[in-house]
Amino acid sequence: RKEVEQDPGPFNVPEGATVAFNCTYSNSASQSFFWYRQDCRKEPKLLMSVYSSGNEDGRFTAQLNRASQYISLLIRDSKLSDSATYLCVVNAYNQGGKLIFGQGTELSVKP
Amino acid sequence: NAGVTQTPKFQVLKTGQSMTLQCAQDMNHEYMSWYRQDPGMGLRLIHYSVGAGITDQGEVPNGYNVSRSTTEDFPLRLLSAAPSQTSVYFCASSYNAGYKETQYFGPGTRLLVL
Repeated sequence: RKEVEQDPGPFNVPEGATVAFNCTYSNSASQSFFWYRQDCRKEPKLLMSVYSSGNEDGRFTAQLNRASQYISLLIRDSKLSDSATYLCVVNAYNQGGKLIFGQGTELSVKP
Repeated sequence: NAGVTQTPKFQVLKTGQSMTLQCAQDMNHEYMSWYRQDPGMGLRLIHYSVGAGITDQGEVPNGYNVSRSTTEDFPLRLLSAAPSQTSVYFCASSYNAGYKETQYFGPGTRLLVL
């Protein structure tokens, strides 16, 4: 079983749609959680960290459920520019800077 | 600041050749790492360094060597290239090895081994 698993893609949605991505992790020692965005095989860039109480950044909302070891990302009012691959990333307290990546979920927003 | 830079952008090698992928950062970050990304798989950690003179293995270290003689540079050396090393390689850095630190990635090196 992979340490971090994401919904298989691709997700094809119209502009303005709301889309949700799910991610599960297997290491209960995981302490930090992130969503990274990757455009067309360019470098990953941090989209947002995920906090225990959930957090929001504009149209993006991230949620964490430690009991179920589950992370989600909700994108509201999708824009064409949101088309990218979204990477779920976790880090364990005892693993220093070692990030564990999910395989990514591709999102394509259509006009 | 240039951030994290990588050279070359693209490289084609023949099986058995060796080469060094360069990575540099100008943010005075202590922590640097190398990942490879293959289709259908997440990025996987090859080697990492928590500071100059200190390196350690990640998840997939076989066939690769690293060194960290300065804070700025973290080259990745392929000893004897194999087709299985065809991949996209990303270098990353962060202020330190803290588990909450944001990591910044370079633009990647696309490597094809024939």
